[in-house]
Amino acid sequence: DAKTTQPNSMESNEEEPVHLPCNHSTISGTDYIHWYRQLPSQGPEYVIHGLTSNVNNRMASLAIAEDRKSSTLILHRATLRDAAVYYCILRDHYSGNTPLVFGKGTRLSVIA
Amino acid sequence: ETGVTQSPTHLIKTRGQQVTLRCSSQSGHNTVSWYQQALGQGPQFIFQYYREEENGRGNFPPRFSGLQFPNYSSELNVNALELDDSALYLCASSLVGGAGYTFGSGTRLTVV
Repeated sequence: DAKTTQPNSMESNEEEPVHLPCNHSTISGTDYIHWYRQLPSQGPEYVIHGLTSNVNNRMASLAIAEDRKSSTLILHRATLRDAAVYYCILRDHYSGNTPLVFGKGTRLSVIA
Repeated sequence: ETGVTQSPTHLIKTRGQQVTLRCSSQSGHNTVSWYQQALGQGPQFIFQYYREEENGRGNFPPRFSGLQFPNYSSELNVNALELDDSALYLCASSLVGGAGYTFGSGTRLTVV
């Protein structure tokens, strides 16, 4: 399985932007980069995904490096409700309904 | 649009017993996956069902088995429970070819 590397934990002040990094140096050409987050006492929740171009949605932005070996999830204004474990996952788009392979993720703490 | 619902939310079993966990998929989704999440770890893929057939399995022994029903709901069965089976069990549904998975809030299983 393609692997990702994320910091174990990060901290942010409320209402500040947060940049969550992910390294995936062995990414293949058909791997999409997916981000999920898991709030306390809940199941993971889809955040965003992309292939090559930067992506924006109502929750976050995804910045993908030109060589695709790294990406950054950007929360534009962190709130206390964004405190969660964030998972960066590679998923091959052309291997059918491939399951998600989770690492340990980054635990984001948001300080009021 | 309904989400994924799991039952029960919490369960305590004795070592050696058998357990059945249930999941109702999100409306319109035809694939269901099950994950095991130990404390402090990311979710680990158990298996996946599509059209009532298992079409992917992680590194779990045969005493972990499942079913998917025509209405796309699903069951996870675990026989001969061991203490290490204590974990949060997550169900996720998706559409074949779709980008995202929708997770339930999980069943917390404790084996004593």
